[in-house]
Amino acid sequence: AQRVTQPEKLLSVFKGAPVELKCNYSYSGSPELFWYVQYSRQRLQLLLRHISRESIKGFTADLNKGETSFHLKKPFAQEEDSAMYYCALISYNQGGKLIFGQGTELSVKP
Amino acid sequence: DARVTQTPRHKVTEMGQEVTMRCQPILGHNTVFWYRQTMMQGLELLAYFRNRAPLDDSGMPKDRFSAEMPDATLATLKIQPSEPRDSAVYFCASGLWGNSYEQYFGPGTRLTVT
Repeated sequence: AQRVTQPEKLLSVFKGAPVELKCNYSYSGSPELFWYVQYSRQRLQLLLRHISRESIKGFTADLNKGETSFHLKKPFAQEEDSAMYYCALISYNQGGKLIFGQGTELSVKP
Repeated sequence: DARVTQTPRHKVTEMGQEVTMRCQPILGHNTVFWYRQTMMQGLELLAYFRNRAPLDDSGMPKDRFSAEMPDATLATLKIQPSEPRDSAVYFCASGLWGNSYEQYFGPGTRLTVT
């Protein structure tokens, strides 16, 4: 079964602390994974995708096929990073639909 | 900067009433998705279209929900009759299948059924 798991519903850190939002997936084949961010009551926005291998707003994520993980990391959290973060997997054999994890709410305290 | 638009942004209605939500995908995108977001269930895919044809609507309660794309610039999601458990934020997203697989989300319609 194709599945995305985000084990933490809420992650609370202090400003300047490192952040790691966990994401594990289940997929047969070569996965394509994304992180989406949703700031308070706004639309979901693509944060990054694993094939781009880029850093956006200081965030990075590396696909680890051995551990079937795609954890999102940032070395120094900022208050403006507070938001909901969703990990998602694209399902090519289901027409390209995204399979989302349950989301992790990141709260960065001053 | 092209964006997906959705109307209305907020809707409060009474149980039993019909609700219609509209989405204008980004011009040139060939795939449109409807998602529902609730605190309990998170993000659920309701239905999606490619080149205006429905590909999958297995996520929708068939007896009360319907989704259509009357033309390439408009997607609609209807609930009839609405129930309190339908209260949620409904997002539309569009993308260009075959190019990148990124989905661009609209601002959502916040529906409250009393």
